[in-house]
Amino acid sequence: GAGVSQSPSNKVTEKGKDVELRCDPISGHTALYWYRQSLGQGLEFLIYFQGNSAPDKSGLPSDRFSAERTGGSVSTLTIQRTQQEDSAVYLCASTSGGSSYEQYFGPGTRLTVT
Amino acid sequence: AQSVAQPEDQVNVAEGNPLTVKCTYSVSGNPYLFWYVQYPNRGLQFLLKYITGDNLVKGSYGFEAEFNKSQTSFHLKKPSALVSDSALYFCAVNSYRSSGSARQLTFGSGTQLTVLP
Repeated sequence: GAGVSQSPSNKVTEKGKDVELRCDPISGHTALYWYRQSLGQGLEFLIYFQGNSAPDKSGLPSDRFSAERTGGSVSTLTIQRTQQEDSAVYLCASTSGGSSYEQYFGPGTRLTVT
Repeated sequence: AQSVAQPEDQVNVAEGNPLTVKCTYSVSGNPYLFWYVQYPNRGLQFLLKYITGDNLVKGSYGFEAEFNKSQTSFHLKKPSALVSDSALYFCAVNSYRSSGSARQLTFGSGTQLTVLP
């Protein structure tokens, strides 16, 4: 079946512009995660959605970052007034269960802020 | 708080030799441990996980990992490495929550495995 998809695959933007990154999780998966992977570093948790519960935003690095998940499916991560330090690969993952379930990752969006 | 350490940034091994990629963790309660692999310009792919039961778990592509509670380790192993195993490997930990719902994985910093022909 279809996996997690993300768009765009690459995004180059000028400093100060807003960007939107999209994630389409596996159908039926109730939990959705956003992570950030900077060059040479591991994955940094950003935000987590579980069903209709309030999202866990504890990983968002600043108020320039926000995310929403519409209809319990597609999610959009928005970065306002982008800065060069926002350059990274943004990964989305989804899972059907709890903590013991593996997460399925999308291919990521490579964001470059010039 | 939970954390994962991968002490080696880089592991080199000759093709056909056994490989080990090290991982130690810290978590409150019982750990759920995962290994993921990332090939260039690709997302992470799940390899294997330990939830409970046998300490030796087997996963995709001939990989296995051994859970050692006393040493809080979960090292990834393969008896005979292939050049195609060259990739970035991440160890991750989660833990049971009383609500049973999912929480974010905590990842190690990754280990670049290079298998030399």
